[in-house]
Amino acid sequence: ETGVTQTPRHLVMGMTNKKSLKCEQHLGHNAMYWYKQSAKKPLELMFVYSLEERVENNSVPSRFSPECPNSSHLFLHLHTLQPEDSALYLCASSRQPGFSYNEQFFGPGTRLTVL
Amino acid sequence: DQQVKQNSPSLSVQEGRISILNCDYTNSMFDYFLWYKKYPAEGPTFLISISSIKDKNEDGRFTVFLNKSAKHLSLHIVPSQPGDSAVYFCAASGRDNQGGKLIFGQGTELSVKP
Repeated sequence: ETGVTQTPRHLVMGMTNKKSLKCEQHLGHNAMYWYKQSAKKPLELMFVYSLEERVENNSVPSRFSPECPNSSHLFLHLHTLQPEDSALYLCASSRQPGFSYNEQFFGPGTRLTVL
Repeated sequence: DQQVKQNSPSLSVQEGRISILNCDYTNSMFDYFLWYKKYPAEGPTFLISISSIKDKNEDGRFTVFLNKSAKHLSLHIVPSQPGDSAVYFCAASGRDNQGGKLIFGQGTELSVKP
């Protein structure tokens, strides 16, 4: 148990559906992150939020829309996804945004399948 | 261009022996390196880290070595146990990153055989 929870753990959706992934951290951290992990690839950083403001968007398509209503919660809204978006989506949090000595704590991930 | 590389996708080791996982990086601005361990259907969990002012950091059975001139780090696990079987990711961050961004390698799948 890392103190970062994600729901749902598994999601199957059609290309025309709209769904949301939820992440919650109970660690009192100030930064939250969304990563995508596809098979045999490194973790790809998608978005970074620091003190509830988005500080990084790594050229992610607009069909992925993040939301950070407060420092404990992070959402990823999904619509009109493609089958190649099927992957494990991981949320992480850390204590010190803007510093390089920075362990990130990960949630268990949401396994997303787009049909 | 991949800044952090783990060139061995898999490694198999006998229980009780040493496991050595390797990682290379290209960005000389990286000054903090981490190892994460990931079991199937779980998120990565932080294992051990090292800053660039050190060349070795030890925590129980786990030791990370950093060779800055070669831009290479390695994770040693000794003795290896079957429960160590997992995917290991190295990650790096540096002074030119904002928001504590970590750059991950592709991972090495370790299998420890009884």
